[in-house]
Parts: sequence; C-alpha cells; structure tokens
Amino acid sequence: NAGVMQNPRHLVRRRGQEARLRCSPMKGHSHVYWYRQLPEEGLKFMVYLQKENIIDESGMPKERFSAEFPKEGPSILRIQQVVRGDSAAYFCASSFQPPFSPLHFGNGTRLTVT
Amino acid sequence: SQELEQSPQSLIVQEGKNLTINCTSSKTLYGLYWYKQKYGEGLIFLMMLQKGGEEKSHEKITAKLDEKKQQSSLHITASQPSHAGIYLCGADDNYGQNFVFGPGTRLSVLP
Repeated sequence: NAGVMQNPRHLVRRRGQEARLRCSPMKGHSHVYWYRQLPEEGLKFMVYLQKENIIDESGMPKERFSAEFPKEGPSILRIQQVVRGDSAAYFCASSFQPPFSPLHFGNGTRLTVT
Repeated sequence: SQELEQSPQSLIVQEGKNLTINCTSSKTLYGLYWYKQKYGEGLIFLMMLQKGGEEKSHEKITAKLDEKKQQSSLHITASQPSHAGIYLCGADDNYGQNFVFGPGTRLSVLP
C-alpha cells in the first residue's frame, strides 16, 4: 500500500513533554500538509511544506510547534512542552503537484496530553 | 482568505432516500474537492471539480460545481448505511497554497 503513512496512530504525553509526529507521503508526492482536528470540529490548516522548505506556516502556533520535511525521510511535526489543549487528531496529507492536485490523507495521529 | 461553508451541518435520512449537501465559498473556486471521513479515520478523496458547470459521478454520488464557481453540491442517490460519515468540501487557490476545508456535514443513514 503506497498511501500516506502516519505514526504513531496514538500518542500519549504528559504535560511538558515533547511530541513527535511522523508522516511519510505517498510515493512520488513532494508536497506535505499538516492539519489539526479537535473533537466535533473541522480540519484546521497548520503548515504546508515542500521538500526541505516551509511554504506556508500561517496556521501553526508561533510557539512550541515546528515542522520539517527533510530531503530524506518523513515529515515531522514537533510539539514541545505539550499542554492539554494540544490534545487532538493530527492529520498529514500529501499531493503530487498543486494546484488542482487532490490531497491524500493518512489516518492521523491521536495525541492525548495527560 | 477563502472560507467554505457547508449545509446542512448534519443530516439523518432513511436508507434508500436521496440527499444533497451544499458547499459555498466566499471566493471564486479554482479547484473544489469532496472528501468523506469516517469516525477515527483520515479523509478519503471522492471527486475534484474545476470548471464552471462541471458534474462528476462515482457510483451513487454526484457532485456539481455551479457556473459561477462559488457553490458546489454533492448528491447521493438511494442512500445506504455505508454512505454514513462526515462529508467535507475542500478548495485550493490558483497557486496551490492555502488548501482549506469546510466544517463538514455529518450524515447518518438509518437502516
């Protein structure tokens, strides 16, 4: 299956710890997007990356959150010093060549902060 | 920035009934996408529309983009329990950035 792979599926962290979420895009896709979804809410855009470049991070909180998509390896969304409000489902999507190229989604990482 | 609204917010229908979900954009749509999300899972891509007046079908689901390219509708014919889930419309701008989603329509189909 060459779909978008996210891991881990579930992640539990205590307040103050770091969370690292990984995303491997579909084969041949070099554009990655991260979204956050709170329970009973819609998808909120966080960041859009192309290999080694952040194209748009307008949806990402200025502090504690960072994202990268290195030349080799998966895209990483990193949350430092997590707080309870960070608990959510984080989805990664990839596309071939925007515009007019559908996003394909992974199954998400559910982060719970205790 | 572009904003998408969806109506209705939720919908409960009896199996076999037809239904329509609407998506309205605050700006001209250059690419309009429909997705389905099942609880606890990622979004599944259904269809993409680009041209004014365009209509596409897949099995019992038909999506249309109006001539003015600011509204789209998703129509399900003879609904089945397998159609249940959250339907989201998404849109990107002409530059491939700023891919946004509507809030979703939660569909329940009663057997």
